[in-house]
Amino acid sequence: AQKITQTQPGMFVQEKEAVTLDCTYDTSDPSYGLFWYKQPSSGEMIFLIYQGSYDQQNATEGRYSLNFQKARKSANLVISASQLGDSAMYFCAMREIGGGTSYGKLTFGQGTILTVHP
Amino acid sequence: DTEVTQTPKHLVMGMTNKKSLKCEQHMGHRAMYWYKQKAKKPPELMFVYSYEKLSINESVPSRFSPECPNSSLLNLHLHALQPEDSALYLCASSQDASGGSYNEQFFGPGTRLTVL
Repeated sequence: AQKITQTQPGMFVQEKEAVTLDCTYDTSDPSYGLFWYKQPSSGEMIFLIYQGSYDQQNATEGRYSLNFQKARKSANLVISASQLGDSAMYFCAMREIGGGTSYGKLTFGQGTILTVHP
Repeated sequence: DTEVTQTPKHLVMGMTNKKSLKCEQHMGHRAMYWYKQKAKKPPELMFVYSYEKLSINESVPSRFSPECPNSSLLNLHLHALQPEDSALYLCASSQDASGGSYNEQFFGPGTRLTVL
């Protein structure tokens, strides 16, 4: 069974500094996708970044980058130059792809609440 | 249009009421999902529709009844709910739900449900 672990319940960062949110995963499927979502207090889940298990390079999307270490089964999110609007809950999620009956099921971690201080 | 819309935004209902949540997307996606999320917890998958057919029911109580009238629309019918069913209900869609694709799920803003 797949499992996602986010060990940081809460993180604090000063505005304009970088922050790393940790995520480790466990799966026996060699083919999988890793996702990060942001959820502000308003409730909407916002897709941030994606990393495929066979991707050779770390994914980047603007100020977001994913530090993918396959052997260690970790997929940490790095946010550079933090902004006050980055304060939110962040979820790491995984989807197994190799099995034909995966049906798009996402497994989420417990989340990390990020607070950006001015 | 990369938007998933959900109505209503907020819903308060009694335990004897019948109500429905609505979700709509116009991205041509063929997979749609219902999630339940309690405060400060991750979303929990409830149902998956693939090509308008129910493909996953995560052992959800029968007081929750999903319906997919067409590829753009997903409903969740509620009847005889309990106070512990109070939560944020999120709808999502993706290009498809089959294995072998990397497509992300686009989420709607959710419906905050309170059961009195």
